[in-house]
This record gives sequence, C-alpha cells and structure tokens, in this order.
Amino acid sequence: DAGITQSPRHKVTETGTPVTLRCHQTENHRYMYWYRQDPGHGLRLIHYSYGVKDTDKGEVSDGYSVSRSKTEDFLLTLESATSSQTSVYFCAISDQGHNSPLHFGNGTRLTVT
Amino acid sequence: DQQVKQNSPSLSVQEGRISILNCDYTNSMFDYFLWYKKYPAEGPTFLISISSIKDKNEDGRFTVFLNKSAKHLSLHIVPSQPGDSAVYFCAASAASGTYKYIFGTGTRLKVLA
Repeated sequence: DAGITQSPRHKVTETGTPVTLRCHQTENHRYMYWYRQDPGHGLRLIHYSYGVKDTDKGEVSDGYSVSRSKTEDFLLTLESATSSQTSVYFCAISDQGHNSPLHFGNGTRLTVT
Repeated sequence: DQQVKQNSPSLSVQEGRISILNCDYTNSMFDYFLWYKKYPAEGPTFLISISSIKDKNEDGRFTVFLNKSAKHLSLHIVPSQPGDSAVYFCAASAASGTYKYIFGTGTRLKVLA
C-alpha cells in the first residue's frame, strides 16, 4: 500500500468553525490531491498540488483552501464549515500527475452539525 | 457539466459470469483512463488503466476496452467473484498540463453467490 496517512479519520464539528484535514505521504510523490465523495456525485476534485507551494483548484473548490509547505504534507482547510461540507474526504498521490495512477488514503469522515 | 459519466448506478451479476461496467466521457482531450474499486470505509484502490494509444488492456480477470470514437470505455471482469462486490469508479486525465484526474459517479457491483 502507498504510504498515505490521513488525519483525523473521523471528525464532528459545528457549523462556522474552521477545520483542517491533513494528508501525509512517505512516497516522495510530487502530485497530491484532495477529493470528496458524496452519494450520487462520486469523487469530486477539490484542490490539487503539483509541487511544494504549487496548488490549483479542482471542480468543487469553493469554501476550501489548501497548503503544501513540504513534499510530504498537504493540508485541506474548511474556512468556516457548513453542513454541505459533510462528506468523506480522500487524499491521493501520484508520481507523474498524468499517465500514472492515483493512490488513495483511507479517508476522513467529516460531519458538520 | 459531468465530463466522465457512469450511467448505471448499480449492477448485479451471478458468480462466475462476466461483469461489464461502462463509462462515457465528453472531453476529447482525455488520453489516460483508469478504473478503481472501492470497498466501504476504505480508499479507492487502483485496478487497471489504459492509454489512448491502445484499445485494450488486460490484467488477470480484468480487461479494459477503449473506444475513442465513441468516447466510451468498459471494464470486463471474468469470472466475477463475490469479493468483486464493490463500487467501481472510472477516471480520466488529459495531457494538457493540468494534472487533474476526473472521476465518474460510480457503479455498485453486486456479485451473487
């Protein structure tokens, strides 16, 4: 299994609070991604990174920000959590960013009450 | 606008028979396609991929077919086993420098013993 650790694995938070999810990899891969999985929507890309301090928006980036200060860590922040952000969040990594598979972590289940 | 579509939310197949999962895409810039399997409470697991220079790729019981003119790919599982019961996602990426991987909404496969 690719060395990807997501933390926390579960979190319950209140509407309006900031939340940060962490993805840590030990594979030294350049590309990192955040997806959310929701029923009927599959996996939707939130943000991705193509190098340290290099990030870009995905399909559903509103209300989210990311940071990557080190190769191994990619943080996803919900500035002010809303109930619509209740979801399962997956981090993924890739060594080439194209023509190579993504490898996923085990996810973080976030509930916003 | 859904660029990658899986129009069958679910599929049931008898053990030992063939499972065929379908995926359509709209972006003609996509040139690398992947299939993932996902069990509950786990991250998606990479199964098989295909580049647009090929029309078929095989790995054991799994074969992916690509029809570029129809913008359609399919995953064949032969023979199907109960352990194949999971949600299957197709994904696509384009060699345009954006490094994005776009996923479909998933098909839940149930293999009946």
